[in-house]
Amino acid sequence: DSGVTQTPKHLITATGQRVTLRCSPRSGDLSVYWYQQSLDQGLQFLIHYYNGEERAKGNILERFSAQQFPDLHSELNLSSLELGDSALYFCASSVGAGDTQYFGPGTRLTVL
Amino acid sequence: AQRVTQPEKLLSVFKGAPVELKCNYSYSGSPELFWYVQYSRQRLQLLLRHISRESIKGFTADLNKGETSFHLKKPFAQEEDSAMYYCALSGLSGNTPLVFGKGTRLSVIA
Repeated sequence: DSGVTQTPKHLITATGQRVTLRCSPRSGDLSVYWYQQSLDQGLQFLIHYYNGEERAKGNILERFSAQQFPDLHSELNLSSLELGDSALYFCASSVGAGDTQYFGPGTRLTVL
Repeated sequence: AQRVTQPEKLLSVFKGAPVELKCNYSYSGSPELFWYVQYSRQRLQLLLRHISRESIKGFTADLNKGETSFHLKKPFAQEEDSAMYYCALSGLSGNTPLVFGKGTRLSVIA
């Protein structure tokens, strides 16, 4: 077990709604990464936080935002949801930027 | 542009046969290459990274800068190797995120 936890496991919601996905990194890890996995796009990097600060942004929509809190857990907020946002959202953590990333089990989001 | 290409979506081999999962990349600079594996109903986990030059579960991968490839190999496939395999790269600086290929599903037939 890598120690990264994500809640909830599954989320079903309607278009136009807003959801929050939560990630707790492994103990001692300062970096948190968010990825989106969809059938057509594969695994895509969304955003990286290190010790509370945003470090890098990938293909993250403006409707999506994230933050890392002082206790190092992170939340990914998805708003004005569209059908195409249905995907698996993974969180990963590492000790520092560039170190091995350990993945959580993912949150499966279904937008109806 | 950074890109990782895994040309095979599905690879089926017989138990005991050699396995090679292909990975090609494009990156302007010095990349670090990884293989991640996802077994059924489990989370993505690191299998190996090129800088460590390890052999994990009998798998090896050699970075070929000339051919920009990082193929994953195993001489004798086992049924428990059946899984989804993802090749990924990042920059050596450590501040670049992982870029993943679309994955290859390996099915080892008894």
